[in-house]
Amino acid sequence: QVQLVESGGGVVQPGRSLRLSCAASGFTLSSNGMHWVRQAPGKGLEWVAVIWYDGSHKYYADSVKGRFTISRDNSKNTLFLQMNSLRVEDTAVYYCARDRKPVPTGWFDPWGQGTLVTVSS
Amino acid sequence: EIVLTQSPAILSLSPGERATLSCRASQSVSSYLAWYQQKPGQAPRLLIYDASNRATGIPARFSGSGSGTDFTLTISSLEPEDFAFYYCQQRSNWYTFGQGTKLEIK
Repeated sequence: QVQLVESGGGVVQPGRSLRLSCAASGFTLSSNGMHWVRQAPGKGLEWVAVIWYDGSHKYYADSVKGRFTISRDNSKNTLFLQMNSLRVEDTAVYYCARDRKPVPTGWFDPWGQGTLVTVSS
Repeated sequence: EIVLTQSPAILSLSPGERATLSCRASQSVSSYLAWYQQKPGQAPRLLIYDASNRATGIPARFSGSGSGTDFTLTISSLEPEDFAFYYCQQRSNWYTFGQGTKLEIK
C-alpha cells in the first residue's frame, strides 16, 4: 500500500540546520507532486512547501521562504526538506504528503506519520 | 491570504447522531475546498476534495457541500471512530487550513 515515512527530526538550536527525509513506497514518487505541511504542538496545520513531480517548480510559504528548500530524488523515491536558520517558531511535527496529481492540485493524500522538529536553546 | 473560519470550535454529539461542521472562507474559493480528519497522534486523512468528492475509501456517511465562501461537512450517523478533529483546507490561492473543529462524544 502507499506509505510515506519521514525521518530526520530532532532537537536543534536556533540558527542551526536540519534535513528531513520522506521515503515513499507503494507508488512511483515521480508520478506525483509532493508537499511538506507542519503542525506546531497543539495547533493547526500550516502548508510549508510544494514540489512538482519532476522537481521543475518549487514554492514556499512566506514563513519559510529563503530558509527552507524542498527537493526530491525520484530515483530513490525520496523527498527532502532542508531547513536552515531555524527559529523557535519552526518547532512542529513535519508531515510529507502526496499530491493527487503530478502537477499539484493542492489536495494532500496520503500523509506520512510525521517527524518532530524542536528548535530550542 | 485566504482565511478559513470553522465553526463550531467544539461539537459534542452522541453516536448515531448527525454532525454538521461549517467552514467559511474570507473570499470565494469556488469549489476548491477539502476536509481532513485527524485523530490524536495520527496524521490527517483526506475525506473530501473539490467540496463534495469523497476520497478513496471514505465511507458514504461523510458528505461535503457548498461553494464560494460557505461549506459544510456532514456525517450522517456518527460512528465511535468519527470522534476526532476536522480541518477544512482551500487551494484557490495557495493552501491554507481552518483552525479545526473538535468533534467529541457527548
